[in-house]
Amino acid sequence: DILMTQSPSSLSASVGDRVTFTCRASQNIGNYVNWYQQRAGKAPRLLIYAASTLQSGVPSRFSGSGSGTDFTLSISSLQPEDLATYYCQQSYSAPPTFGPGTTVDIK
Amino acid sequence: QVQLQESGPGLVKPSQTLSLTCTVSGASIDNINFYWSWIRQPAGKRLEWLGRIYSSGSTNDNPSLKSRVTMSVDASKNQYSLRLSAVTAADTAVYYCAIERGSGWVDHWGQGTLVTVSS
Repeated sequence: DILMTQSPSSLSASVGDRVTFTCRASQNIGNYVNWYQQRAGKAPRLLIYAASTLQSGVPSRFSGSGSGTDFTLSISSLQPEDLATYYCQQSYSAPPTFGPGTTVDIK
Repeated sequence: QVQLQESGPGLVKPSQTLSLTCTVSGASIDNINFYWSWIRQPAGKRLEWLGRIYSSGSTNDNPSLKSRVTMSVDASKNQYSLRLSAVTAADTAVYYCAIERGSGWVDHWGQGTLVTVSS
């Protein structure tokens, strides 16, 4: 299975800050990375698919980039509602696998 | 809009079979553009993909589950189901039904249902 790792495991930032976190795959996966937001007690929500395509209805402050093994998710201006854990997922090869998540805390 | 709702027992005894059903509204289970998936999440851990079933009835599952997974579709009820046999405490998790797209992203999720394996 392809192993997905994420860093940092958690971060704390202020409203309005730009935050960036990374996801790394154990092998080249092209652009087959998807990003999800999971608020406490809720189901995940798709934010970005195919590394950089914004899902319909997701605020434009979210963006994704990368290819190969290294990917990033950025939030251009952190909002209080962005308090959540963010997961990357590879869909390059079966079985699809997820990273351990980055938890974002608002200072 | 598309909605998914999991249902099934919240408590299963070790060695027994976990059974969950996902009821789909706002979309037809016959839609060939949707792959009907199951994903779980143990408390405090990462998400784990369990498997998917296509409208044709063919399936793919996660080899880590060692063939304990069975999935089926009931088109008359617009539902699909998961059975996980020989459960242990390690199978305790929130189970989600979800819609997966052809390139593997998951754009619809049920609210999730907690299944605890305990005697």
